[in-house]
Amino acid sequence: GNSVTQMEGPVTLSEEAFLTINCTYTATGYPSLFWYVQYPGEGLQLLLKATKADDKGSNKGFEATYRKETTSFHLEKGSVQVSDSAVYFCALGAQGGSEKLVFGKGTKLTVNP
Amino acid sequence: NAGVMQNPRHLVRRRGQEARLRCSPMKGHSHVYWYRQLPEEGLKFMVYLQKENIIDESGMPKERFSAEFPKEGPSILRIQQVVRGDSAAYFCASSPPGSHSNIQYFGAGTRLSVL
Repeated sequence: GNSVTQMEGPVTLSEEAFLTINCTYTATGYPSLFWYVQYPGEGLQLLLKATKADDKGSNKGFEATYRKETTSFHLEKGSVQVSDSAVYFCALGAQGGSEKLVFGKGTKLTVNP
Repeated sequence: NAGVMQNPRHLVRRRGQEARLRCSPMKGHSHVYWYRQLPEEGLKFMVYLQKENIIDESGMPKERFSAEFPKEGPSILRIQQVVRGDSAAYFCASSPPGSHSNIQYFGAGTRLSVL
């Protein structure tokens, strides 16, 4: 079945540091890939997405590229801020839409001033 | 344009009681998904519903759990005879009809505590 493996946390960085959170997946066909962010006490917000190989999703300075050859969708940001402290989830949606999302376990990021 | 609305935000139940969690999808959305998040874990799919139909309930426990999405009104996730292991955050998501992009919009969740 489909699965997502995400870098274990927690991750602690200083402000303006470079961020990478690794995500790899197992799926048949061509799934859609997502990064969601969860701030403390809140629900999940869609951060970015990619629907086909070599697509790059980007939002709020975060980027991730859909790599079919390495089945990866790593999240990166060049310079993190304290306000980026949250839990980040990589997720996969089966080809064709209207299907359940499969989530990684989440990576907690803390950014210190 | 309101987002996905879930209530209550927090629910406390004693063992053996029933829990009812409500979810109103975004306007125009007819697909509803329920997920459960256990402490320190990612979200696990429970059930996918369209109006008056259960499409996929492969993630639902076989006993005590049920879900519905009636023609009128919110979707309800019902847990009968709750046990401590049911303590978790339950998230609802919705998507519009005919969507092929897998994008789901999440509510803020209901945090269930079983005493």
